[in-house]
Amino acid sequence: QSALTQPASVSGSPGQSITISCTGTSSDVGSYYLVSWYQQHPGKAPKLIIYEGSKRPSGVSNRFSGSKSGNTASLTISGLQAEDEADYYCCSYAGSTTWVFGGGTKLTVL
Amino acid sequence: QITLKESGPTQVIPTQTLTLTCTFSGFSLSTSGVSVGWIRQPPGKALEWLALIYWDDDKRYSPSLKSRLTVTKDTSKNQVVLTMTNMDPVDTATYYCAHLYVSGSCFDYWGQGTLVTVSS
Repeated sequence: QSALTQPASVSGSPGQSITISCTGTSSDVGSYYLVSWYQQHPGKAPKLIIYEGSKRPSGVSNRFSGSKSGNTASLTISGLQAEDEADYYCCSYAGSTTWVFGGGTKLTVL
Repeated sequence: QITLKESGPTQVIPTQTLTLTCTFSGFSLSTSGVSVGWIRQPPGKALEWLALIYWDDDKRYSPSLKSRLTVTKDTSKNQVVLTMTNMDPVDTATYYCAHLYVSGSCFDYWGQGTLVTVSS
């Protein structure tokens, strides 16, 4: 059960869109539409922003969207804002009632 | 409103056993479909799923840590307890407990986390 692969860092200017990828295997991301995404600001607990691949919890901005193709899931943030600067983690159900997280991506808003 | 809070020692000595308690409110672990998980995060590193306990006392563990982990619940106290044996400095991390969404797809509510340092 290896960690999902995410880019270490991405950056974008205010107003732009960015996409963070999350690559797994046919045993996790590829087999289940149960990918979730979390936003984590420094010193804070992770916050759920996308679940079941593309659903947004109540209160989460519609600037956040998720998708999946094959073994790779993606998080897109449109209309970047300064407050979006944070670490982002993907998570996938991995079968046998286990879960696996990604290595995390640091988003810098230029 | 669902809330969770972790408590336990801030420092443990190598080879000792760590015991952490998650106290929650806003849901009951005696309700069908409800479960609570544990996730940790070493300083500056990624999240790692550790364990999960279901309302029916079924338990699941990370394959890589299974031999060292035990999770239990006290429904009357609204608490979940995680024990990890043979602690090592590499186990230094912030430990979080979290509520598993009813579909099992994600952890929708998280505690604030508690930093545990393993050092002699």
